[in-house]
Amino acid sequence: AQTVTQSQPEMSVQEAETVTLSCTYDTSENNYYLFWYKQPPSRQMILVIRQEAYKQQNATENRFSVNFQKAAKSFSLKISDSQLGDTAMYFCAFMKPLNTGTASKLTFGTGTRLQVTL
Amino acid sequence: EPEVTQTPSHQVTQMGQEVILRCVPISNHLYFYWYRQILGQKVEFLVSFYNNEISEKSEIFDDQFSVERPDGSNFTLKIRSTKLEDSAMYFCASSGIQGTRGWGYTFGSGTRLTVV
Repeated sequence: AQTVTQSQPEMSVQEAETVTLSCTYDTSENNYYLFWYKQPPSRQMILVIRQEAYKQQNATENRFSVNFQKAAKSFSLKISDSQLGDTAMYFCAFMKPLNTGTASKLTFGTGTRLQVTL
Repeated sequence: EPEVTQTPSHQVTQMGQEVILRCVPISNHLYFYWYRQILGQKVEFLVSFYNNEISEKSEIFDDQFSVERPDGSNFTLKIRSTKLEDSAMYFCASSGIQGTRGWGYTFGSGTRLTVV
C-alpha cells in the first residue's frame, strides 16, 4: 500500500517570500502521479500542480513549482512570491495510473497548514 | 471550466436517519469517487465507481454506505443509519481517461454532514 508523509504540520511565510512544503511517499510502483492540493478555509479541494513520475522535468504552474526526486521518493512544493491568498491547508497526494476499466484512488498526506503573513 | 457539483452544501441530520449526498460529475468523465474528511484530519478515500459498479472501497465503506448512479448524470452516496462519527465533509470527485483533455481529478466543493 502507498503512504504519503507530510512532516510539517504548520508553516509560516511572509508575503513575497518563498516557502517550500515537504512531502515523501512510499510505493513499489514505477509509474504514478503526484499532486499538491490546496484547501482554503472554504474547504474546497483545489488542484495546485501535478507531476507524472515518468517525466524527469519538474512541473511548474506560475508561482508554484515542485522538486521531484524519484529515487528519494520526495515531492516538495515551492511557492514563490507568497501571497495572502495562499494561506490554506496543502495536501500532497499519490495516485497509481488510471488504466482502462480501473479507477484509481488518491492517497493523501496529513497536510501542512500554511500561513502567509504581512 | 467544467465543475463537479455537490448538493446540499450542508446537511444536518439526526442520528439513525438516512442521508443521501448528491453529486453531478463532469460530463465526459468516467470514474467517480467519494472521499471523507473529518474536521482537522486528512482526506480519506471511501469508494470508487466505474461502469456502473464499485471499483474499490475502503474499510470505512461498510454496509451502512452505498453508491448509485441512477440516471447517468447524478452520482449519490447514501448512508443508511447515520452515526455521530459520520459527521464530516464529504467530497465527490471525477476523473477522465488518462491523457485526454481535462482527465485529472476534479473535486466538488463538498457536503458538510453534521449528525446530531
